[in-house]
Amino acid sequence: DGGITQSPKYLFRKEGQNVTLSCEQNLNHDAMYWYRQDPGQGLRLIYYSQIVNDFQKGDIAEGYSVSREKKESFPLTVTSAQKNPTAFYLCASNGASKGNEQFFGPGTRLTVL
Amino acid sequence: QKEVEQNSGPLSVPEGAIASLNCTYSDRVSQSFFWYRQYSGKSPELIMSIYSNGDKEDGRFTAQLNKASQYVSLLIRDSQPSDSATYLCAVIFSGGYNKLIFGAGTRLAVHP
Repeated sequence: DGGITQSPKYLFRKEGQNVTLSCEQNLNHDAMYWYRQDPGQGLRLIYYSQIVNDFQKGDIAEGYSVSREKKESFPLTVTSAQKNPTAFYLCASNGASKGNEQFFGPGTRLTVL
Repeated sequence: QKEVEQNSGPLSVPEGAIASLNCTYSDRVSQSFFWYRQYSGKSPELIMSIYSNGDKEDGRFTAQLNKASQYVSLLIRDSQPSDSATYLCAVIFSGGYNKLIFGAGTRLAVHP
């Protein structure tokens, strides 16, 4: 059963804590992306990775970090430097056989307490 | 500034009617355009992609692209209450590797 999984579904963070959001795909897609969605707004790109061991900053990378050690995995760390981290975080992937189409995981809703 | 603009709505249509959702974008040379449906609290689901001028039909959905006017639309025929969702327009602008720029979305409400 192919797809993109994200965990946890809900995450609560205290001020000053770093938290890591998981994203895994078994679609054999090369490219993976992290987006953030705030209420009533469109998605904004945080980081993206086209191949293993390589990633680039998106439009709002400050306060976030990523790694891409395996093709299947693209975890996102929300650091204490991110001043307003409460949001819905979405991971997406894209494979060459699907042109430019990106497919999304179910998302992680992060709340700062 | 690369922008994708959508009317936030809500767009309210009766069941069985045609819903028309519109999107404009700022980059004349953009080549790839997408419509996603997002139910409340859920992640976006790709429903249409369009790359060439004209119409593309898939079931009850028709995407229309006019590059000269920098305009892309989504028509939903025979609208159902289950179509009630937010519809996101997304564009890949020139010079950005597969970087989708999203509009803020149009909320559609289909009432029985």
